[in-house]
Amino acid sequence: AQTVTQSQPEMSVQEAETVTLSCTYDTSENNYYLFWYKQPPSRQMILVIRQEAYKQQNATENRFSVNFQKAAKSFSLKISDSQLGDTAMYFCASRGTQGGSEKLVFGKGTKLTVNP
Amino acid sequence: GAVVSQHPSRVICKSGTSVKIECRSLDFQATTMFWYRQFPKQSLMLMATSNEGSKATYEQGVEKDKFLINHASLTLSTLTVTSAHPEDSSFYICSARADRISEAFFGQGTRLTVV
Repeated sequence: AQTVTQSQPEMSVQEAETVTLSCTYDTSENNYYLFWYKQPPSRQMILVIRQEAYKQQNATENRFSVNFQKAAKSFSLKISDSQLGDTAMYFCASRGTQGGSEKLVFGKGTKLTVNP
Repeated sequence: GAVVSQHPSRVICKSGTSVKIECRSLDFQATTMFWYRQFPKQSLMLMATSNEGSKATYEQGVEKDKFLINHASLTLSTLTVTSAHPEDSSFYICSARADRISEAFFGQGTRLTVV
């Protein structure tokens, strides 16, 4: 079974600064995917970034990057140059590739507030 | 990214009635769709997984007779909450995926209020 743990219920950061959200996971599979989703007040789930476990290089998407530590089963999200629009709930998620484990498993989320 | 449309965005119904929520993939064929429920300030809880043309697979603790899921085509899945009660009030979200290696895209969600 897969599990995803986000140990920071809430975080805040000043506009233009950098913040890192933590996520650890557990899985018995060798190949899997990891995701960070953003849920703003509109509650629309938006994919922020995706990492394939067999790729050693950390994924980046503009101001968003991850620190993927496979041995430690850690998958943190770094947001650089934080903007007010980054205020949202952030969910870390994993998905396996074997039959029955292909559903997304979400962490409990981190509420991020970007202050002006 | 691909577009998933969920309708309605908000619905209020009387206790004892049924309500249907639609989830459509607009620009791709979704072999698999997922239905989630989200309580305030909590994470998404998977209710069921549906594959086109097959019966849905429900998660433990989810009443299949109460939450009817139909995935009759590659672009449409529906969730029907039958004999709704106030405790069924929640935010329901669908997601759709083209195939096993693709990422899932989410609908906008439906706020259900049972009065």
